[in-house]
Amino acid sequence: DAGVIQSPRHEVTEMGQEVTLRCKPISGHNSLFWYRQTMMRGLELLIYFNNNVPIDDSGMPEDRFSAKMPNASFSTLKIQPSEPRDSAVYFCASTTDSTTEAFFGQGTRLTVV
Amino acid sequence: SQKIEQNSEALNIQEGKTATLTCNYTNYSPAYLQWYRQDPGRGPVFLLLIRENEKEKRKERLKVTFDTTLKQSLFHITASQPADSATYLCALAGNSGYALNFGKGTSLLVTP
Repeated sequence: DAGVIQSPRHEVTEMGQEVTLRCKPISGHNSLFWYRQTMMRGLELLIYFNNNVPIDDSGMPEDRFSAKMPNASFSTLKIQPSEPRDSAVYFCASTTDSTTEAFFGQGTRLTVV
Repeated sequence: SQKIEQNSEALNIQEGKTATLTCNYTNYSPAYLQWYRQDPGRGPVFLLLIRENEKEKRKERLKVTFDTTLKQSLFHITASQPADSATYLCALAGNSGYALNFGKGTSLLVTP
């Protein structure tokens, strides 16, 4: 398996623009997580899906952020409108109910100017 | 509120020595605790899991202890090598179950 695949690897956008980050979890994994990492705040959990259903979105910073998982092999994290303070590395991770370790993608480095 | 605290200062040690990293937590009742390694520009990679009923766990040169009374885990790398230089993160499952909350990590630098 190729592991968790995220795209794009880097994104530079202007303030106010819509940004969509994409994630393909490992095949067979039924839990998917979106994290955001900054130097100041570390790795923060944004939202968690189980069997394509959002279970906990309490980490989503505000209404500008939304996440979907239309099927077991694809998820998106959208920021609209984007702001400079959204600049961070966004990670997607997946796991199964029978294991506890999380498998992370390579991340998307987002820069909002 | 729930907190996971790791030493924010970088740890610099000489090759061959044992590195010891600390993870303290508050307001968690974890069934297990995990340690991850993160290299620059990459996602975290799972290293070890230790359960609440385990005092110690070993994997090659790695050793993890878990004291649920002190609410602390120690992560040891024996006979450290420059290739061990990375940031090490501890993680606990939050209230939602499987989703992991992470500490900010401790940067380890092993010099020859």
